[in-house]
Amino acid sequence: KAGVTQTPRYLIKTRGQQVTLSCSPISGHRSVSWYQQTPGQGLQFLFEYFSETQRNKGNFPGRFSGRQFSNSRSEMNVSTLELGDSALYLCASRPTGEVNQPQHFGDGTRLSIL
Amino acid sequence: AQSVTQLGSHVSVSEGALVLLRCNYSSSVPPYLFWYVQYPNQGLQLLLKYTSAATLVKGINGFEAEFKKSETSFHLTKPSAHMSDAAEYFCAVTYSSGYALNFGKGTSLLVTP
Repeated sequence: KAGVTQTPRYLIKTRGQQVTLSCSPISGHRSVSWYQQTPGQGLQFLFEYFSETQRNKGNFPGRFSGRQFSNSRSEMNVSTLELGDSALYLCASRPTGEVNQPQHFGDGTRLSIL
Repeated sequence: AQSVTQLGSHVSVSEGALVLLRCNYSSSVPPYLFWYVQYPNQGLQLLLKYTSAATLVKGINGFEAEFKKSETSFHLTKPSAHMSDAAEYFCAVTYSSGYALNFGKGTSLLVTP
């Protein structure tokens, strides 16, 4: 069974631009979550989608948004990029999002802002 | 608010020695606890999880953790460290009505020959 796939693996952008990251969950998984990982703040929850609906959101500005498609694939968008957005962005999936189901993580997209 | 504290941002052990990585949680409701490992340039891999069944949880690669409610702890152990265990380890908590994982700051494990 293929794992969580994130594309691209690496991305370089400049301040003010926008970026879209993609995540394909494990086949059959309908819940997709996004996390930001930085050396200073550690791992922080961005949002979770289930059946194309956002059902939980972390404490990030509105520049961070996401969506989920009918095939459970998810995209995350960051607009008006800032230097502080440089991070590893991790996507995770699980079957239905029940609390006892562990998250399965992809290898992440490393975003660098110049 | 649910949170976890990992004591020690860096832990160094000799190959063959006991590994002990500490995690304490704060939760006003029964927690669900997880340990993940992250190797360089990779995502997080689940080591084990506690979901209110047995308090001693066995995971992959010889790791195990014990849930101690009285101490609000969920420490990760391995009897004998291997060089391949060198990585970053994260403890995480969630709870019955939540969906997000709250992660600790991580502990970097160094294994010396």
